[in-house]
Amino acid sequence: ETGVTQTPRHLVMGMTNKKSLKCEQHLGHNAMYWYKQSAKKPLELMFVYNFKEQTENNSVPSRFSPECPNSSHLFLHLHTLQPEDSALYLCASSQVQGPDTQYFGPGTRLTVL
Amino acid sequence: DQQVKQNSPSLSVQEGRISILNCDYTNSMFDYFLWYKKYPAEGPTFLISISSIKDKNEDGRFTVFLNKSAKHLSLHIVPSQPGDSAVYFCAASPSGNTPLVFGKGTRLSVIA
Repeated sequence: ETGVTQTPRHLVMGMTNKKSLKCEQHLGHNAMYWYKQSAKKPLELMFVYNFKEQTENNSVPSRFSPECPNSSHLFLHLHTLQPEDSALYLCASSQVQGPDTQYFGPGTRLTVL
Repeated sequence: DQQVKQNSPSLSVQEGRISILNCDYTNSMFDYFLWYKKYPAEGPTFLISISSIKDKNEDGRFTVFLNKSAKHLSLHIVPSQPGDSAVYFCAASPSGNTPLVFGKGTRLSVIA
C-alpha cells in the first residue's frame, strides 16, 4: 500500500451505533489530519495530530473522538451521531504540521440514519 | 469569515482552450499556497504549490500565479483536457504550525 489509505470507504450507521474510521499513511509523515466535507461547504478541519500529539481541535462535538496511537495511524471514533453528520470524512498527512503539502486519503462516505 | 475564497462555483471550458481558476485570500500572513484537484468519491490530490517569495510556478500544463498585493492567485491549465474535469480547491497557510485553510472549490468542466 502506498500513500494514505482509509477504511471503510462507505459506512451507514444508526444514531445509536458506535463505529470507527481508520486512516493509515505510508509516507513517513509526522502530522495527520481529519477533515469533514459536506455538500457545498469548504473542507472543515476537525483534528490535527503532530508527532502523535493532538494540536488542533476545531470545536468538534464530543461524539467525534480521535485517536492517534502512532505517526502512521489515525482513528476517528463515532458515537451517537446525528443525521447532519453525514458527510465525506477525509484523512490527510504531511511531513510536518503547517505550511506543507498535505496528502489525502480517498475518504469515508458516512451516512447517519 | 472565509479567509480563502473561490468565488466561481463552476467553470466550463472547451477542450484545448485555457482554463483559469481564481482564488482570493484575506489573511496577509498566508505565505504558502496550494491547488488540489478532486474527483467525485475520491480525496483531493495535490496539484501544484507556490510560496510567497515567488509569483509564478509552472508544472507541465499547470501554472500558478500569485499576486501578493492583490491577495489573489490563479491556476492556469493549458491546454485543457476532458480528464481535467474535477473540483479544484485553493488552499493557503501562514508560516508556523497553522494548518491549511481551504476554499469552497470550483467545479471545472472541460467539454470535448
